[in-house]
Amino acid sequence: QVQLQESGPGLVKPSETLSLTCTVSGGSISSYYWSWIRQPPGKGLEWIGYIYYSGSTNYNPSLKSRVTISVDTSKNQFSLKLSSVTAADTAVYYCARQRTRYDYVWGSYQEGPKYYFDYWGQGTLVTVSS
Amino acid sequence: QSALTQPRSVSGSPGQSVTISCTGTSSDVGGYNYVSWYQQHPGKAPKLMIYDVSKRPSGVPDRFSGSKSGNTASLTISGLQAEDEADYYCCSYAGSYTFDVVFGGGTKLTVL
Repeated sequence: QVQLQESGPGLVKPSETLSLTCTVSGGSISSYYWSWIRQPPGKGLEWIGYIYYSGSTNYNPSLKSRVTISVDTSKNQFSLKLSSVTAADTAVYYCARQRTRYDYVWGSYQEGPKYYFDYWGQGTLVTVSS
Repeated sequence: QSALTQPRSVSGSPGQSVTISCTGTSSDVGGYNYVSWYQQHPGKAPKLMIYDVSKRPSGVPDRFSGSKSGNTASLTISGLQAEDEADYYCCSYAGSYTFDVVFGGGTKLTVL
């Protein structure tokens, strides 16, 4: 059974960089897409971005200038960095898995994510405060 | 403001059926068959209940079903049970040049 576990500081100062890591156990990080999703207290879900095990990324345009997602396949981990944080970035941060789809386009197969999240971490609350 | 519109709350009695709507546009819900639904109990992570509009993951009861008409997707829960009380979120692909993935604002289901 695949399990995801977020880790990182629970408190970050304004203007600093939020850093979180998601460790995948019970399965390989390879051949899947991996996302970060956040949920401000009492509010809805917001997709932050995803990374393929090969390293290709896609980010939410509203956060793109501040977000970096990276992967370390040797450790079965992927990470999130969000820079210049403010109180509006206070949220529970989840990591989640997306399966890979294969589209046959112009004589070859192209990889892309399936647009649903089948495994989630338990979430970690990050508070931005001085 | 969320990209997809859901009712803030719905309710039903045990054994009844309820339907939660999720309204988007032709650029997201209406344009692709990539709608998913998540159940979230307080303090817990979301759980995938429906994907690709109407498919159920293994282990999800067949009381949960999904459908789509035009720009509106729906989650129907039949034979309501007390443990179904939770928040429900819809999610849709929105095109690779926009948000890629967008969520609804969530619906609180109360089992009376």
